[in-house]
Amino acid sequence: AQTVTQSQPEMSVQEAETVTLSCTYDTSESDYYLFWYKQPPSRQMILVIRQEAYKQQNATENRFSVNFQKAAKSFSLKISDSQLGDAAMYFCAYRRSNTGNQFYFGTGTSLTVIP
Amino acid sequence: DGGITQSPKYLFRKEGQNVTLSCEQNLNHDAMYWYRQDPGQGLRLIYYSQIVNDFQKGDIAEGYSVSREKKESFPLTVTSAQKNPTAFYLCASSRDRGRGQPQHFGDGTRLSIL
Repeated sequence: AQTVTQSQPEMSVQEAETVTLSCTYDTSESDYYLFWYKQPPSRQMILVIRQEAYKQQNATENRFSVNFQKAAKSFSLKISDSQLGDAAMYFCAYRRSNTGNQFYFGTGTSLTVIP
Repeated sequence: DGGITQSPKYLFRKEGQNVTLSCEQNLNHDAMYWYRQDPGQGLRLIYYSQIVNDFQKGDIAEGYSVSREKKESFPLTVTSAQKNPTAFYLCASSRDRGRGQPQHFGDGTRLSIL
């Protein structure tokens, strides 16, 4: 089974600064998809960004970008110009591309934004 | 607007009682999922369904049951066999076709023991 590891249970960042959240995964497949989800205190899961493994270009969504290192099986999330509303749990997730629909989630990183 | 509706938002269970959590989606998604979330443990998969009348056990299916009689609906029953049901439950759905479609989530149901 695929495993997704988030080694930072908690992170903090000063408002307006940049922070990077780490994620590594284990897979023997070459084609797959990776996601970052945000869960604010309201507990709603919100999709932040999506990366296709066959694309070398790193995905970007406004202040959010990823550093996708396929050989290293690493998928980190960079948040630039951090805002108070970025405070949340962040989950990394993996989805296989060929068979089945199962998603695999990491244990999450709790991000605190310091005013 | 399309989305996933979970109800109720809060649910209380008495000893020995079965309770059912509702999940409805109008996104025309094929696949639906149930996750359990405990503090500090992330999301753990209970059951998932790729098509109507078919579903598979996830990592922690014991003490839970599901049905998928309609594409739009995937209710989860927490049975009396689940001895520690207090948790936050999330329902999700995704498209089966198309490459790497993300999951969409409901707002969750918090289940507590009375």
